[in-house]
Amino acid sequence: DAGVIQSPRHEVTEMGQEVTLRCKPISGHDYLFWYRQTMMRGLELLIYFNNNVPIDDSGMPEDRFSAKMPNASFSTLKIQPSEPRDSAVYFCASSLGTGLRPEAFFGQGTRLTVV
Amino acid sequence: RKEVEQDPGPFNVPEGATVAFNCTYSNSASQSFFWYRQDCRKEPKLLMSVYSSGNEDGRFTAQLNRASQYISLLIRDSKLSDSATYLCVVNRRGGGSQGNLIFGKGTKLSVKP
Repeated sequence: DAGVIQSPRHEVTEMGQEVTLRCKPISGHDYLFWYRQTMMRGLELLIYFNNNVPIDDSGMPEDRFSAKMPNASFSTLKIQPSEPRDSAVYFCASSLGTGLRPEAFFGQGTRLTVV
Repeated sequence: RKEVEQDPGPFNVPEGATVAFNCTYSNSASQSFFWYRQDCRKEPKLLMSVYSSGNEDGRFTAQLNRASQYISLLIRDSKLSDSATYLCVVNRRGGGSQGNLIFGKGTKLSVKP
């Protein structure tokens, strides 16, 4: 298995532009997570899905952020309009939710810089 | 109070030293616990799960104290390759979901020759 695949790996964009981050989870995993990591705040859970349905989006910072999971093999995180404070590494992770100790597997992340 | 709290470090130790990291969590209903490792500019990866009875994996020992809501990780005979950030992770129970993983900010370890 190729693992969790994220694209792009790096994104530099100007303030006000729309940014779309993409994620392909591990086949068969029923949970998908979007995290944001900064030096100041560490790794923050933004939203997670179970069987393509958003379960908890309380971590989404504001209405500029939206996430979708149209099918089991694809998810997007969109920021519109982007702002410099959105600069961070965005990780997607997936897990098999059965059992007592689900391990989350992370993608390599998208490093976003908004200038 | 943050849901998962860790000493950020950095811990600077010589090779061969024993080092311990601590973590506290605030949600008493938390179901399961983990330690993840993150190398510089890489993604987090699972190091080990933490079981109620304590568990060991080679040089690594994890302990859980539910009464005190406290998790620890002990690394014995530390190696240069152990240098990384160690993230305490709690599976928060909410609405029956078991997939809500909450990460601490991590403790940075630097092992020196």
